[in-house]
Amino acid sequence: KNEVEQSPQNLTAQEGEFITINCSYSVGISALHWLQQHPGGGIVSLFMLSSGKKKHGRLIATINIQEKHSSLHITASHPRDSAVYICAVGGADGLTFGKGTHLIIQP
Amino acid sequence: DAEITQSPRHKITETGRQVTLACHQTWNHNNMFWYRQDLGHGLRLIHYSYGVQDTNKGEVSDGYSVSRSNTEDLPLTLESAASSQTSVYFCASRENMNTEAFFGQGTRLTVV
Repeated sequence: KNEVEQSPQNLTAQEGEFITINCSYSVGISALHWLQQHPGGGIVSLFMLSSGKKKHGRLIATINIQEKHSSLHITASHPRDSAVYICAVGGADGLTFGKGTHLIIQP
Repeated sequence: DAEITQSPRHKITETGRQVTLACHQTWNHNNMFWYRQDLGHGLRLIHYSYGVQDTNKGEVSDGYSVSRSNTEDLPLTLESAASSQTSVYFCASRENMNTEAFFGQGTRLTVV
């Protein structure tokens, strides 16, 4: 069973700061997912990646397959980025999830 | 637009009652999943299906069942609801293991 660890568990930052959330996993995978969940809300897929780097607006995700590690970066953070960010790794029987990083961006 | 919907969004039920949570997707995905989300545990897999008439147990399947009679729907049934099953339940679907997963909005279930 793949073990997925995220850090930090909680992060509070000021508006405009550069944010980094880390994810490591124990077993080789076909794809890694970054998800976003707003308080009381549903889960939205931000990225799915199997190698290299992807960028969408102010969000950047990178993965290092050899080191079994991925990072999610947010540039020029904004209060609307406040949410729980969840890393998940894909397998034949669905996704295995980290416990999430609770991000708060203060104005 | 294709979507995945869950109903109801909120449900309160009594211990011992049978409860069914609905999940309907219009992506025409073969893979469908049910997860529960609890503080301190993150999301955990309850049951999953690769297609019609196929169902499989996940990590926390005890007390739950699913059926897959068509591509669009994967209802989750709690045979005899217990307080330990108070949770938020998410349904998800995907085309295959190498594609993006789409999630429903969640069902908050309270067993009293």
